[in-house]
Amino acid sequence: KAGVTQTPRYLIKTRGQQVTLSCSPISGHRSVSWYQQTPGQGLQFLFEYFSETQRNKGNFPGRFSGRQFSNSRSEMNVSTLELGDSALYLCASSLATSGRADTQYFGPGTRLTVL
Amino acid sequence: AQTVTQSQPEMSVQEAETVTLSCTYDTSENNYYLFWYKQPPSRQMILVIRQEAYKQQNATENRFSVNFQKAAKSFSLKISDSQLGDTAMYFCAFPLPLTGANNLFFGTGTRLTVIP
Repeated sequence: KAGVTQTPRYLIKTRGQQVTLSCSPISGHRSVSWYQQTPGQGLQFLFEYFSETQRNKGNFPGRFSGRQFSNSRSEMNVSTLELGDSALYLCASSLATSGRADTQYFGPGTRLTVL
Repeated sequence: AQTVTQSQPEMSVQEAETVTLSCTYDTSENNYYLFWYKQPPSRQMILVIRQEAYKQQNATENRFSVNFQKAAKSFSLKISDSQLGDTAMYFCAFPLPLTGANNLFFGTGTRLTVIP
C-alpha cells in the first residue's frame, strides 16, 4: 500500500496570507490527525478527523481549521498567517476501527515558512 | 494531566553497541498504547515499536525492544547492534485518553547519534 502523502512539501508565505495543506491517508484508513512541529514547542496535536467529523482539537487558535472528505483525504487551513506558524506540519493516518487510539502512520510533512 | 518525559536530550553510541533510551509517563488510564517513533534527518516520522499496556510481555521488533514497567510508568527503548541508519531523533508518544480519538502526546525527544 502507498503511504501517507502530503502536498505541497514546501511552502513560503507572507504574514497575513492563508494556506491550505493536503493529506491523503493510507488506503482504508479513516482517521487523519494533524500535528505541528517547531523547535520551541516540539510536536503538538492540532486536530483529528474521522469519517468527515472532527473528533478532537488541540489547543490552537481558531485560525487553524481542517476538514475531511468522503474519501478520507484531509485538508488543513491556516488563515491570517503569523511568523510563529512557521513549522513542519505532519499528517498521520490510522485505521481507528476499534473506537480507541490506534497506531498512526505519518506522512513526510509540509514545511511552511512564513516571512 | 498526562505527561511524557524523556530525560536524555542527546545520546551517542558506537556502531554495533547497545543503547537504551528512557521514557516515563503519567496517566490515569488502565488500558492504552505506548509508542516509540524515530525521525531521521529526512524528518519522516517512522514507527519503531508499539506496546499495549495490558500485555505483560515486552514488545520486540528485530533489533528494537522495550522494557515496559507499568507500575513504574516507564517505557524504555533498547537498540541492539546499533547501525548508522539508527541516527535520528527518537520520540516516546502516548495517546491522550479521549474516547475514539487519535491524538498523540509526544515527549521532547532524544537525539541519538551512532558513531562509526
